[in-house]
Amino acid sequence: QSVLTQPPSVSGAPGQRVTISCTGSNSNIGAGYDVHWYQQLPGTAPKLLIYASNNRPSGVPDRFSGSKSGTSASLAITGLQAEDEGDYYCQSYDISLSVFYVFGTGTRVTVL
Amino acid sequence: EVQLVQSGAEVKKPGDSLKISCKGSGYIFTDKWIAWVRQMPGKGLEWMGVIYPGDSDTKYSPSFQGQVTISADRSINTAHLQWNSLKASDTAMYYCARLDHYTGSFYFGSWGQGTLVSVSS
Repeated sequence: QSVLTQPPSVSGAPGQRVTISCTGSNSNIGAGYDVHWYQQLPGTAPKLLIYASNNRPSGVPDRFSGSKSGTSASLAITGLQAEDEGDYYCQSYDISLSVFYVFGTGTRVTVL
Repeated sequence: EVQLVQSGAEVKKPGDSLKISCKGSGYIFTDKWIAWVRQMPGKGLEWMGVIYPGDSDTKYSPSFQGQVTISADRSINTAHLQWNSLKASDTAMYYCARLDHYTGSFYFGSWGQGTLVSVSS
């Protein structure tokens, strides 16, 4: 079961800004572990979007940004584009369940 | 360029055995952990386990311990995920991913294209 909670869906018009929250606990995000974000476009494998809370791999547009505070993290997409439509997952490390790597519940982004 | 290429889709019956593969290239295969991630139809991502091909050190998620076996063959730069007796509930897409790290934090930096496993009588 996921220990990181995300909203099931968010939506926005092209050009708008949307944010996705990722809520954890003191055994993962709150314990100081980094949060990473993945984008999964329809019918494709997940792709790394943000690592260590606010770093973008080469090739990821700067429209995507991450932040972390306390037991939560957020992914922001500014200048929303039709090609951004898909599922987004946060991921961190958890010390309490011997699961090590935990994913968020996932958020479907819809471009109106 | 880092690449992880997975074996093709499989259609199996309950009780069958299965071994799927993930071949790495573009980096030193023995230097990086490889993870397996399950995605059931219409559902989210679940971490199953990891292996370090350098010494075959393996760690499993409690949910998958005893249900699958992760292995690696250093001679062909390939990691494997296997089942001894499949169940219908094993129907899912399975991804391999390379673990990268940054200031001690590990993340799934590169992903395979996925292997779809369908189990039905």
